Amino acid sequence: KQEVTQIPAALSVPEGENLVLNCSFTDSAIYNLQWFRQDPGKGLTSLLLIQSSQREQTSGRLNASLDKSSGRSTLYIAASQPGDSATYLCAVRTSYGKLTFGQGTILTVHP
Amino acid sequence: GAGVSQSPSNKVTEKGKDVELRCDPISGHTALYWYRQRLGQGLEFLIYFQGNSAPDKSGLPSDRFSAERTGESVSTLTIQRTQQEDSAVYLCASSLEAEETQYFGPGTRLTVL
Repeated sequence: KQEVTQIPAALSVPEGENLVLNCSFTDSAIYNLQWFRQDPGKGLTSLLLIQSSQREQTSGRLNASLDKSSGRSTLYIAASQPGDSATYLCAVRTSYGKLTFGQGTILTVHP
Repeated sequence: GAGVSQSPSNKVTEKGKDVELRCDPISGHTALYWYRQRLGQGLEFLIYFQGNSAPDKSGLPSDRFSAERTGESVSTLTIQRTQQEDSAVYLCASSLEAEETQYFGPGTRLTVL
């Protein structure tokens, strides 16, 4: 059974810092890995999707890496801003369609 | 364009009642998913529809839960004889194909008293 773990559970940083969120998964036979952000009272917003054949994806200040063999992914956020405050979720797809999610990292960026 | 929409946004019901939750996926998306997020827990997969194929119901927690989808449009998730442990946010997502990015709706917050 696929299990996804995210570390840390919560993170509080001052504005402007670069930060790294970690995700690990137990079954390396994945199709892809997706990072989402979730704002209170709202649904999930997809940030980046990395296919199993890819090593990384970049979008603006976000960079996600994938090491499938070791079962790890990191989300790097450069020059963090208060608007980045949210819960960040990592999810892997190991069967057709279904995503398995981690518990999330609650990020607070204070001015 | 329009995203995934869900209704109602909030539902409060009494234990033992049946509830029906609705999801309108993005037009043209063939795949539709239901997930559940209980307080303090991660998202749990419930059910997945792909076109006209038989749905993947492997995540449904009990036979009180069922879901239907009409073609490639609206889906309804029905919970019969609700229990307090059914209280959660129910999230719906859709994707163009099963391997593509999933786009989520805002969710329905269900509270069972």
